[in-house]
Amino acid sequence: QKEVEQNSGPLSVPEGAIASLNCTYSDRGSQSFFWYRQYSGKSPELIMSIYSNGDKEDGRFTAQLNKASQYVSLLIRDSQPSDSATYLCAVSLAGGGNKLTFGTGTQLKVEL
Amino acid sequence: SAVISQKPSRDICQRGTSLTIQCQVDSQVTMMFWYRQQPGQSLTLIATANQGSEATYESGFVIDKFPISRPNLTFSTLTVSNMSPEDSSIYLCSVEGRGGYNEQFFGPGTRLTVL
Repeated sequence: QKEVEQNSGPLSVPEGAIASLNCTYSDRGSQSFFWYRQYSGKSPELIMSIYSNGDKEDGRFTAQLNKASQYVSLLIRDSQPSDSATYLCAVSLAGGGNKLTFGTGTQLKVEL
Repeated sequence: SAVISQKPSRDICQRGTSLTIQCQVDSQVTMMFWYRQQPGQSLTLIATANQGSEATYESGFVIDKFPISRPNLTFSTLTVSNMSPEDSSIYLCSVEGRGGYNEQFFGPGTRLTVL
């Protein structure tokens, strides 16, 4: 079982819709969770971080964490074509020091 | 977040040669990380570099192939040695954030093509 799993997509949503991106992780002791956005040919950009159960909102982005289910998600409201990118889930595993483990990423396409 | 630069941004190299990639940060950071991202793949951690100590390599990566230097708190280099076409990849450095939750911020990357 992979440590961090994501559906590779592509996930296609119409402009203005809510995009829902999901990530599961295997290490129950994981403590920090991150979403990175990566445009084609660019490096990953940190857009959300979450550390405790529940929701965290920042503008059009909401991160949701459920440690019991080992599940973290990213919701993008009012999706725009500029949101089209690959979204990487990253987890700081228990006992992993400062290292992050990345999922394979979900490609999001926002269509006009 | 810190401003991170990498040199070169891209290079095309012949097999058997070596390339050194530089990573410069505009503020002092304790931990720096080197990743590889192969075409269409996610990020794979190569090693963690702390100033004043030997780099810690992940499984599958060895110092002879990827020597790393960390001479001070704002700079690090990664060398890709004796390159083969399989080393064609994007190499990224990252630094830890100041939030204390293991967040990382990435440099722009170095796109390496080995012929």
